[in-house]
Amino acid sequence: KNEVEQSPQNLTAQEGEFITINCSYSVGISALHWLQQHPGGGIVSLFMLSSGKKKHGRLIATINIQEKHSSLHITASHPRDSAVYICAASRSQGNLIFGKGTKLSVKP
Amino acid sequence: EPEVTQTPSHQVTQMGQEVILRCVPISNHLYFYWYRQILGQKVEFLVSFYNNEISEKSEIFDDQFSVERPDGSNFTLKIRSTKLEDSAMYFCASSGGLAGVWYTGELFFGEGSRLTVL
Repeated sequence: KNEVEQSPQNLTAQEGEFITINCSYSVGISALHWLQQHPGGGIVSLFMLSSGKKKHGRLIATINIQEKHSSLHITASHPRDSAVYICAASRSQGNLIFGKGTKLSVKP
Repeated sequence: EPEVTQTPSHQVTQMGQEVILRCVPISNHLYFYWYRQILGQKVEFLVSFYNNEISEKSEIFDDQFSVERPDGSNFTLKIRSTKLEDSAMYFCASSGGLAGVWYTGELFFGEGSRLTVL
């Protein structure tokens, strides 16, 4: 049983489209992370959320603690946004449970 | 901008050999982590380290694995006797936080060390 589920697994979009990636988790968490993994494998932290909403540039992340659900939105998507987006639930002490990732491809 | 650096970027080793993966976390961070990602699979937590001791470890982190911070800057992961199934990308990460209070904080990842066990 996966404790962190992401959808969709794969997503193809046209440049400029609004994109939503969803994450559901079944465990109690202290925070929820959204990460970006580039084709070369490197991982970059996008957001860490424990409640509400955060925005950084064209990226928006929201979390609903009661429903155990988080979303990552990308506005005005661009080919450079193509990457794998990973949701990870943080239990105590830095122990993250990772989702399988959503592979996003944005076509020009 | 401060970054986490890992060496080597790629290591090929024979089964049964010892491997040490090295990481230099961001200098003022207090918490350090190792994760691994087997090709095609999701990232998995291995171990967290704070105040010169392991804070938490996963089931993967058995007696074949060890971590240490030998000199106040490096953070190493040692695999004593590698197995074929240890082949993976290993990521080091660090985070800040408040001394004396566990706070995961935003994670900063290194580029990873790819380990291939033959």
